[in-house]
Amino acid sequence: AQTVTQSQPEMSVQEAETVTLSCTYDTSESDYYLFWYKQPPSRQMILVIRQEAYKQQNATENRFSVNFQKAAKSFSLKISDSQLGDAAMYFCAYKPNYGGATNKLIFGTGTLLAVQP
Amino acid sequence: DTAVSQTPKYLVTQMGNDKSIKCEQNLGHDTMYWYKQDSKKFLKIMFSYNNKELIINETVPNRFSPKSPDKAHLNLHINSLELGDSAVYFCASSRQGPYEQYFGPGTRLTVT
Repeated sequence: AQTVTQSQPEMSVQEAETVTLSCTYDTSESDYYLFWYKQPPSRQMILVIRQEAYKQQNATENRFSVNFQKAAKSFSLKISDSQLGDAAMYFCAYKPNYGGATNKLIFGTGTLLAVQP
Repeated sequence: DTAVSQTPKYLVTQMGNDKSIKCEQNLGHDTMYWYKQDSKKFLKIMFSYNNKELIINETVPNRFSPKSPDKAHLNLHINSLELGDSAVYFCASSRQGPYEQYFGPGTRLTVT
């Protein structure tokens, strides 16, 4: 079974500092996508970043970047220059590429990030 | 323009009632989903539709019945509501394949 594990239920970071959120996953598939979603108190699910498994280059979106280690099945999220608005629950998610429509997102349990002023 | 919208955003009802949640997306996506987020914030897929056809049906009580009148709409009807149905229900859509999903604002259902 495909699973996603986030081992840090809560994290805290000082404003302007850098924080890394961990995620590991288990799959026997070779073709898949990985995502980080952010859920602020408004409860809206917001896509932060995505990574295609076939790409060796780590994805980057402004202050957000990932460290994708395919062999280790690890997909961590680094937030640089943390801002108060980054405070949220962060979910790591995995989606296999079966080439059809049977592609569901499998979520981790989330990491609640607090940003201290 | 709202990409994925859900109505209502809040729903409070009594046990035994029947209720519906509506979802619409204007992204032109082929695939739509329903997810349930429980009190511990865990997100789990319930259903997926592709071009109005049911593709994924996880282990969900048959009191839950999704309906997709067209590609842009996916509704969720729940019969005989129970206390354990209290949760946030998210609708999402995506292009067919392993692509990112775009979520609606969620519907917080409270069953008393």
